[in-house]
Amino acid sequence: RKEVEQDPGPFNVPEGATVAFNCTYSNSASQSFFWYRQDCRKEPKLLMSVYSSGNEDGRFTAQLNRASQYISLLIRDSKLSDSATYLCVVNQAGTALIFGKGTTLSVSS
Amino acid sequence: EAGVAQSPRYKIIEKRQSVAFWCNPISGHATLYWYQQILGQGPKLLIQFQNNGVVDDSQLPKDRFSAERLKGVDSTLKIQPAKLEDSAVYLCASSLGDTIYFGEGSWLTVV
Repeated sequence: RKEVEQDPGPFNVPEGATVAFNCTYSNSASQSFFWYRQDCRKEPKLLMSVYSSGNEDGRFTAQLNRASQYISLLIRDSKLSDSATYLCVVNQAGTALIFGKGTTLSVSS
Repeated sequence: EAGVAQSPRYKIIEKRQSVAFWCNPISGHATLYWYQQILGQGPKLLIQFQNNGVVDDSQLPKDRFSAERLKGVDSTLKIQPAKLEDSAVYLCASSLGDTIYFGEGSWLTVV
């Protein structure tokens, strides 16, 4: 079983749609959780951290369920500029980040 | 603030040749990482340095890959001899605390 699993997509949605990405992780000792965004032929960049209480940043909402070892990202009112690959990322204290394969989102007009 | 610098950006080599990539992290960042990202996959850690010491190199194919960070600042990743399956983007990253910053990557094509 892979350490971090994501549905690779692609997710093709129209502008204004709401889309949700899911991710599961296998190591129950994982302590920190993130969503990174990667544009085509660019490096990954931090989108947001994910906290147990859930957190929101504008149109983006992240949720963590430690009992189910499940992380989600919800994007509301999708924009063309949201088209990218979204990487689910976990780590334990003092270790390097472990990335999922990424979920590709394509938003069309 | 200057970001993570990498060079070269692009490299094409024949199989069995060697190649070296250089990385200069963000000033003051003690932790440096090399990741390999094959097309369609997420980045995979090759090696993690803390200052000039290796923290994790468990996924580094040591028969052909080597990396060093002699003075605890910049780092070099070498592949010798290269195989076709080494075609990937090699991402260097650095961190101070929880946030990790990536360079633009070095794109390697092995033909």
